Amino acid sequence: GAVVSQHPSWVICKSGTSVKIECRSLDFQATTMFWYRQFPKQSLMLMATSNEGSKATYEQGVEKDKFLINHASLTLSTLTVTSAHPEDSSFYICSALRQGASTDTQYFGPGTRLTVL
Amino acid sequence: QKEVEQNSGPLSVPEGAIASLNCTYSDRGSQSFFWYRQYSGKSPELIMFIYSNGDKEDGRFTAQLNKASQYVSLLIRDSQPSDSATYLCAVNRMGYSTLTFGKGTMLLVSP
Repeated sequence: GAVVSQHPSWVICKSGTSVKIECRSLDFQATTMFWYRQFPKQSLMLMATSNEGSKATYEQGVEKDKFLINHASLTLSTLTVTSAHPEDSSFYICSALRQGASTDTQYFGPGTRLTVL
Repeated sequence: QKEVEQNSGPLSVPEGAIASLNCTYSDRGSQSFFWYRQYSGKSPELIMFIYSNGDKEDGRFTAQLNKASQYVSLLIRDSQPSDSATYLCAVNRMGYSTLTFGKGTMLLVSP
């Protein structure tokens, strides 16, 4: 299967600071990556679609100035949570889209647990 | 509103039994159908995908698709306690890479 990594796996920060999360596709190139957020006991929520070399597409209600996404290469996308607040505490998960002969498939990273104090 | 519906469960089966997980979708333009497994506190893990009507088998897992009925299912044979997790059904629309997820079905396999 395809391998997607995320770093860090967990982070604790103070309110008002910024946090950067990296998502890497390790064994395939991904022109498209996705960022999700999941609160406890809730469903995955798509935050944005990240396309290599272009601006990310944000879902309705997601603040693009707060959640900065950069997809500078075919194997790396980053999510920066700016001026984090306690309500931003969540499980952030990325996925990378692997193109296939029959269908394109999303493979998920292991996730980053963010706690904002 | 494009929807993917799953019974939230929990679905409880004894070890060794067949677990049957069901999913319906509303968008007739849906193209590919995915099953992910998510353990508590972990990220989703791809089990398999299907895009043609009929059955597709991969080890203990069988995905079944019926586009006329807008129904997709996942059968797990010889269920093990380690299969206890939330199973997410996801679909994408032709020409789109984003997935629409169901809320997931929790499966509990008792020893």
